[in-house]
Amino acid sequence: AQSVTQLDSQVPVFEEAPVELRCNYSSSVSVYLFWYVQYPNQGLQLLLKYLSGSTLVKGINGFEAEFNKSQTSFHLRKPSVHISDTAEYFCAVMQIQGAQKLVFGQGTRLTINP
Amino acid sequence: DTEVTQTPKHLVMGMTNKKSLKCEQHMGHRAMYWYKQKAKKPPELMFVYSYEKLSINESVPSRFSPECPNSSLLNLHLHALQPEDSALYLCASSQGGYSSPLHFGNGTRLTVT
Repeated sequence: AQSVTQLDSQVPVFEEAPVELRCNYSSSVSVYLFWYVQYPNQGLQLLLKYLSGSTLVKGINGFEAEFNKSQTSFHLRKPSVHISDTAEYFCAVMQIQGAQKLVFGQGTRLTINP
Repeated sequence: DTEVTQTPKHLVMGMTNKKSLKCEQHMGHRAMYWYKQKAKKPPELMFVYSYEKLSINESVPSRFSPECPNSSLLNLHLHALQPEDSALYLCASSQGGYSSPLHFGNGTRLTVT
């Protein structure tokens, strides 16, 4: 079975500063990787995904993530954050074998301070 | 705006009530999902339907009964719930397959009294 670890439960950042949200995964087979964002009182919205090819993937709202197979990581970055980026961010993994189950990490609460 | 619509947005029910949550999508997706999310926790998978057939049941108690009347609709029937079942219930859909991302609705906030 796959598992996902988000290393920081909360990340406070000042507006216009860069941010990195860390995600590590564990799986015995190949995986697809996703980042989702959840704003208050809403569902989850896809930020970006890694399926294959270039290890640097770009998503919506200026976010990007880098897949590192040797370190089994998929960290999310943004060079300059805005107040509107305040939300919960979830890393998720789909094993490319067996049951199609998307498994989420525990989430990272990103708080942007003015 | 979300392309997956869930109703109602909020629901309060007693432990002896019977109620249903509804989910609708018109993206032509063939897979639909129910997730449960407790406060400050990640979504937890409950059920998956693929081509209108139940493909995954994550050992969910029988007081939760899913139904997929057609490819656009997904229901979750609730009966004899417990207060610990209070949570945000999220519906999602996808084209199916490992690489297809899930599209989520905004959820139904359920409170069991």
